[in-house]
Amino acid sequence: DTGVSQDPRHKITKRGQNVTFRCDPISEHNRLYWYRQTLGQGPEFLTYFQNEAQLEKSRLLSDRFSAERPKGSFSTLEIQRTEQGDSAMYLCASSLTGVNTEAFFGQGTRLTVV
Amino acid sequence: DQQVKQNSPSLSVQEGRISILNCDYTNSMFDYFLWYKKYPAEGPTFLISISSIKDKNEDGRFTVFLNKSAKHLSLHIVPSQPGDSAVYFCAAKGTNAGKSTFGDGTTLTVKP
Repeated sequence: DTGVSQDPRHKITKRGQNVTFRCDPISEHNRLYWYRQTLGQGPEFLTYFQNEAQLEKSRLLSDRFSAERPKGSFSTLEIQRTEQGDSAMYLCASSLTGVNTEAFFGQGTRLTVV
Repeated sequence: DQQVKQNSPSLSVQEGRISILNCDYTNSMFDYFLWYKKYPAEGPTFLISISSIKDKNEDGRFTVFLNKSAKHLSLHIVPSQPGDSAVYFCAAKGTNAGKSTFGDGTTLTVKP
């Protein structure tokens, strides 16, 4: 399977704990995106990378969120001191660099903070 | 301020008929528009796109129309099939922008 892979698929954590998610993009894609989706809403942009450089981060993103893409391949998204409001589907996507390119999404990681 | 709006949360059509999903945007800097389809428990999958230099793009049963003056686009599915039942998201990008801005989706139900 050469699609975008996310791990884990589901995560239940207690409030205040830290969680980390992993995303493996399509191998030839140099752009990688993180989005968050809650019920009844569309994906909300969090951040994106071109190779290992983090090019944009949403102003709405709390300092508790951090993302890395150390070697320009896989990426991790960490949430520190989780809150119940962090419960959502976290989606990773990747794309080629270009003016008009579409992103390919993974199946997402469902986070539940109890 | 939501820059991409899908004002119909749901749409129900009969198999074989046309489905029309609508999307409005407010940001004049958007120049590339995409439609994604999402099944439950899966990530969105790319369906079709259109550049602002065009007003129509067709791919099989799917056609996207863009009206730049009205800042409006629509997705037509003809004929609709039960397997088309899913949530459809409209998304928009600006020139050189990496990220896409998404609407909240329209749930399409195609009845046999």
